[in-house]
Amino acid sequence: DGGITQSPKYLFRKEGQNVTLSCEQNLNHDAMYWYRQDPGQGLRLIYYSQIVNDFQKGDIAEGYSVSREKKESFPLTVTSAQKNPTAFYLCASSRQENQPQHFGDGTRLSIL
Amino acid sequence: QKEVEQDPGPLSVPEGAIVSLNCTYSNSAFQYFMWYRQYSRKGPELLMYTYSSGNKEDGRFTAQVDKSSKYISLFIRDSQPSDSATYLCAAGRRALTFGSGTRLQVQP
Repeated sequence: DGGITQSPKYLFRKEGQNVTLSCEQNLNHDAMYWYRQDPGQGLRLIYYSQIVNDFQKGDIAEGYSVSREKKESFPLTVTSAQKNPTAFYLCASSRQENQPQHFGDGTRLSIL
Repeated sequence: QKEVEQDPGPLSVPEGAIVSLNCTYSNSAFQYFMWYRQYSRKGPELLMYTYSSGNKEDGRFTAQVDKSSKYISLFIRDSQPSDSATYLCAAGRRALTFGSGTRLQVQP
């Protein structure tokens, strides 16, 4: 069963703490993306990667970091520099960068 | 001004109605257009994808793109209570830009 798996479903962050959100896909897609969704604001692009070992900043990359060491995996780290991290985080992948994107079911991050 | 504008709704219709959802975009470089459906606490699900101006039909759904007026629409025929969700339009050339979503409620 092909798809995108995000974990955990819910995550809590303490002040000054870095947290990492997992995204794994078995669709053999080259491109992967991270979005942040806040109420009433739609999806905003954080980072995207078109190929292994390469990634680009999106519109709101400050306070976030990513890595793409394997084709299947694109983890997102929310650093302590991100002052307003409470949001719904969505990972997506596509065969290539201008092809339809398919989404995971998200991770909801909250501050303790 | 946002690059992709979408009326947030909510839009409430009776079961069986034809629903029209609309977006406008400002970037004439956008080449491809998508519609997603998102249920609460879930990721968006791709409904329609098109590169060109004109209509594209898939079952009860029709996507319409007018590049001259930078207008994209999604029509849902014979709407069902299970269609109640938030609908997101998106447009792009490389990365996608999303509208803020329209919440649709179909009343039984």
